[in-house]
Amino acid sequence: DAGITQSPRHKVTETGTPVTLRCHQTENHRYMYWYRQDPGHGLRLIHYSYGVKDTDKGEVSDGYSVSRSKTEDFLLTLESATSSQTSVYFCAISEPGGDRTLTDTQYFGPGTRLTVL
Amino acid sequence: GNSVTQMEGPVTLSEEAFLTINCTYTATGYPSLFWYVQYPGEGLQLLLKATKADDKGSNKGFEATYRKETTSFHLEKGSVQVSDSAVYFCALRQGGSEKLVFGKGTKLTVNP
Repeated sequence: DAGITQSPRHKVTETGTPVTLRCHQTENHRYMYWYRQDPGHGLRLIHYSYGVKDTDKGEVSDGYSVSRSKTEDFLLTLESATSSQTSVYFCAISEPGGDRTLTDTQYFGPGTRLTVL
Repeated sequence: GNSVTQMEGPVTLSEEAFLTINCTYTATGYPSLFWYVQYPGEGLQLLLKATKADDKGSNKGFEATYRKETTSFHLEKGSVQVSDSAVYFCALRQGGSEKLVFGKGTKLTVNP
């Protein structure tokens, strides 16, 4: 299994509070991603990073920010949590390369279940 | 834009039944195609993939063939087991991008 951990694994918070989720990898992969999983929507990309301090928005980035100060850590912050951000959040990593058949894979962490009351 | 459409679940089968989960896609060029599986309480795991037309991905008895003429990547297994109960996601990666686009997932339950 790819070395990806997420913390916390479960969190309950109140509307309006800031929340930070952490993704940590030991694989030295260049790309990291944050997704949210909701019933009826599958997985949707929030933000991704293609290197230290290099990040970009995904399809559902409103209300979220990210930071990547070192290769192994990718942080997702909800500045002011809302009930619509109740979800399961997954981190993923990948390493692009010239041979698509060998490096064409994203590896996922175990997820963080966030409940905003 | 790119998109993936999967058959809606849930799908309930008896052990040893044949499984098909349909997946079609919309994309420009030649995307890579994937099936991911999510067991209860876990993250997603890559099940199989195909990177060009007519390629067949296979793993753990599951197979899917990249059909460019029908823009499809249907998942099949000849004889399912209770342990195959999970949610299955079809996904694509457009060439030149590292981002995956996922279908909504299909929940499979296999009864003994």
